[in-house]
Amino acid sequence: AQTVTQSQPEMSVQEAETVTLSCTYDTSESDYYLFWYKQPPSRQMILVIRQEAYKQQNATENRFSVNFQKAAKSFSLKISDSQLGDAAMYFCAYDPGNQFYFGTGTSLTVIP
Amino acid sequence: DGGITQSPKYLFRKEGQNVTLSCEQNLNHDAMYWYRQDPGQGLRLIYYSQIVNDFQKGDIAEGYSVSREKKESFPLTVTSAQKNPTAFYLCASSTGVEQFFGPGTRLTVL
Repeated sequence: AQTVTQSQPEMSVQEAETVTLSCTYDTSESDYYLFWYKQPPSRQMILVIRQEAYKQQNATENRFSVNFQKAAKSFSLKISDSQLGDAAMYFCAYDPGNQFYFGTGTSLTVIP
Repeated sequence: DGGITQSPKYLFRKEGQNVTLSCEQNLNHDAMYWYRQDPGQGLRLIYYSQIVNDFQKGDIAEGYSVSREKKESFPLTVTSAQKNPTAFYLCASSTGVEQFFGPGTRLTVL
């Protein structure tokens, strides 16, 4: 079975500081995609960042970057210079090619 | 503007009634998905369709039904057989690489 584990139900970070959200997944596939989605209080799901498993280089989108460790099946999200607008639920997702598998989410609080 | 619309935003149902949630997309995506979101459980896949007139069950399909008669539309029916239907429902469509989500429908059973 494909599973995605987010072991941190809640995290908090001081504004302007850096926080890392953890995600591990289980798969026997060699080629797949990994994603981080953000869900603010509006509940609209927003793509934060995407990583292709065949790429060794870690993906980066402005203040958001990932640490992708394929052998360890780990995919953590680092948010730098945290802003109040970063407060949300963050979901890690794994896609082997035909459907997405989501983790249970991490609720991020940003402290002013 | 291209996107995914879901209606209604809030829906109330009496026990024993079937109800249909609407999902429409104008992104020209072949694949569409329905998820259920409950507190502490993330998103769970109900049904998905990768092409018109074809769909597959996800992890929690019992008590739900779908149709895919048009590329743009993927309605979800919550039947009276669904024992605990109160939840937030999200529809998505996909390029094959990324999923795009609608704004969701909050269903409450009274």
